Amino acid sequence: QQQVKQSPQSLIVQKGGISIINCAYENTAFDYFPWYQQFPGKGPALLIAIRPDVSEKKEGRFTISFNKSAKQFSLHIMDSQPGDSATYFCAASGYRGSTLGRLYFGRGTQLTVWP
Amino acid sequence: GAVVSQHPSWVICKSGTSVKIECRSLDFQATTMFWYRQFPKQSLMLMATSNEGSKATYEQGVEKDKFLINHASLTLSTLTVTSAHPEDSSFYICSAPGLDSETQYFGPGTRLLVL
Repeated sequence: QQQVKQSPQSLIVQKGGISIINCAYENTAFDYFPWYQQFPGKGPALLIAIRPDVSEKKEGRFTISFNKSAKQFSLHIMDSQPGDSATYFCAASGYRGSTLGRLYFGRGTQLTVWP
Repeated sequence: GAVVSQHPSWVICKSGTSVKIECRSLDFQATTMFWYRQFPKQSLMLMATSNEGSKATYEQGVEKDKFLINHASLTLSTLTVTSAHPEDSSFYICSAPGLDSETQYFGPGTRLLVL
């Protein structure tokens, strides 16, 4: 069972545009929500992460929006660049019980930014 | 930042042989490490939690006797795929939590091809 649902599966954005990827979860034990970027043949690299006590976090061109009541969070990439073309994964983990430290990933979004 | 390495980066083996993959935390200690498997164009699936000095914890559906995990020291975890078959061909990635116990640092992955 997919614990974190991610959409869209693929996304094509023009250079300079905004890329938006959405995720949803059900397990209320989750309290840490990172986003990872992965290039082909490489391991995932942490982009940005958020805890449920804030509704938004921004780092450079990357922003996470978090809606605790709806159990949803999203990644916004502003001024998207061709170098941003990669697969993006949302994930969730918690520090209670069975979710302790374990990351559950969404299915991934293949982002293509064309010039 | 924290660096996690994996060795080998890729391996090709014959069906029925065993393959060992190493995961090392290079500049920090990790009492816990995690092993993931990723099939082409799919998400990362958590296989097991490697615990230094004790038995690994496996996710539901992962065969303990097929995927042997040993966490011999605070900087090294190994995954041995025993009696490998073509369906075990995949990208295996490990991760280790950083000092904040929350951020997961991923290795570069090991691509296994079983002929």
